Amino acid sequence: DQQVKQNSPSLSVQEGRISILNCDYTNSMFDYFLWYKKYPAEGPTFLISISSIKDKNEDGRFTVFLNKSAKHLSLHIVPSQPGDSAVYFCAASPAAGSYQLTFGKGTKLSVIP
Amino acid sequence: KAGVTQTPRYLIKTRGQQVTLSCSPISGHRSVSWYQQTPGQGLQFLFEYFSETQRNKGNFPGRFSGRQFSNSRSEMNVSTLELGDSALYLCASSAGVLQETQYFGPGTRLLVL
Repeated sequence: DQQVKQNSPSLSVQEGRISILNCDYTNSMFDYFLWYKKYPAEGPTFLISISSIKDKNEDGRFTVFLNKSAKHLSLHIVPSQPGDSAVYFCAASPAAGSYQLTFGKGTKLSVIP
Repeated sequence: KAGVTQTPRYLIKTRGQQVTLSCSPISGHRSVSWYQQTPGQGLQFLFEYFSETQRNKGNFPGRFSGRQFSNSRSEMNVSTLELGDSALYLCASSAGVLQETQYFGPGTRLLVL
């Protein structure tokens, strides 16, 4: 049973426009969420995180929104750049008891120049 | 600060052999987690070590084991290799407290023939 789901395997966006990547989770024990960016044959690179006590966190061009009631989070990239083309993973960890990250299957973002 | 380093980067083994992978965390980090990435299953948690103790373990067979040394460096061992163990093995380090970001190394690509 997938506890973290990224339902869009791929997304294409024009350079300069907004990219919106979505993530849903089922485990109500999750309370810390992260987004990672990954290039092939490399480790994931941390982008941005959000705690469940917040509903929004911004870092430069990246903003993460969290809707706890809907168990949904999204990553907005504005403006999108060709260098943003990569696979984006959503990850979640619980409030207590475990330090493991549970990952979604990823969304491949292609930013078209 | 230097990032997480993993050695070797690439490895080819045959079925039935065993393999040891190494991970050096970011200086000052006491937690090391290991993940397996495959095309079918995505990123899956193997285990996490903190101060030389295994705190969490994922749903993998006993052929997968690990340890952590007093300098926080960690090793992961897979015995009696199977074809399905071919994957990218990722190590992540963190300070080891809840809601702490995990930073990943570049990974070790293991191919089992």
